[in-house]
Amino acid sequence: DVKVTQSSRYLVKRTGEKVFLECVQDMDHENMFWYRQDPGLGLRLIYFSYDVKMKEKGDIPEGYSVSREKKERFSLILESASTNQTSMYLCASSLDYTSTDTQYFGPGTRLTVL
Amino acid sequence: AQKITQTQPGMFVQEKEAVTLDCTYDTSDPSYGLFWYKQPSSGEMIFLIYQGSYDQQNATEGRYSLNFQKARKSANLVISASQLGDSAMYFCARLGGATNKLIFGTGTLLAVQP
Repeated sequence: DVKVTQSSRYLVKRTGEKVFLECVQDMDHENMFWYRQDPGLGLRLIYFSYDVKMKEKGDIPEGYSVSREKKERFSLILESASTNQTSMYLCASSLDYTSTDTQYFGPGTRLTVL
Repeated sequence: AQKITQTQPGMFVQEKEAVTLDCTYDTSDPSYGLFWYKQPSSGEMIFLIYQGSYDQQNATEGRYSLNFQKARKSANLVISASQLGDSAMYFCARLGGATNKLIFGTGTLLAVQP
C-alpha cells in the first residue's frame, strides 16, 4: 500500500511565524504535490515537484515556498504565516508524470494561524 | 476553463441501497484520467477508482463502479450496497492537459441512513 504521511494533523501558529509542513512518501514516487482545501473553493494546487530539487508553481504559490532535498520528502514552507493561510493542507504523491497517474494523499494538516 | 461539475451538493441513501453520484467534466484533451476520491470527516483524501479516457470498459473496484460516458463527458460513481461507513464527501477529479494538474469538482456529501 502507498503511504503518505504528514508531520502534523493539527497545527496552531501565530501571525508572522515561519511554518514548516512536512510530507513523506514511502513508495519511491517521482512526483509530490501540495494542495490547500478551503470551503467553497475546493482543492487548489500550491506547488508540485517532479524530481529531487525540482519544483513548479501551482495555482496559488504566493506566500509559500517548497523544498525537496530527498525523493521521499517534500516540505511546504510558509515564510511569514498570515491568517488567510488558515486552511487544510494536503500532500500527495504519484509514481509518474502521465495523464493516467493516480495521486495518493496524506491525512492532511489543519493549520490555524492566529 | 476546464472544470469538473458535481451537481449534487448532498445526498441521502438508505443502508444497503445503491447510490449514483454525478460528475461531468469539460476537456479538450485527447487523453485524460478520471478519479473519484472519498474524504471522511477525518480529512484524508482516499483514492477509490480510476477511469482512463481510452479504456473500453467501465472501471470497477469492489462496491465502486464508474459509469463512464465519454461522448457525454460524464463519469458517475455508483456505490452498491451502501454502508454507514460510506458517509463522507466524494470528489470527482480529472488529470490531464499540459500541466498534468489534478482538477477537482466541488464534491458531494453522502449520508448513509440506517
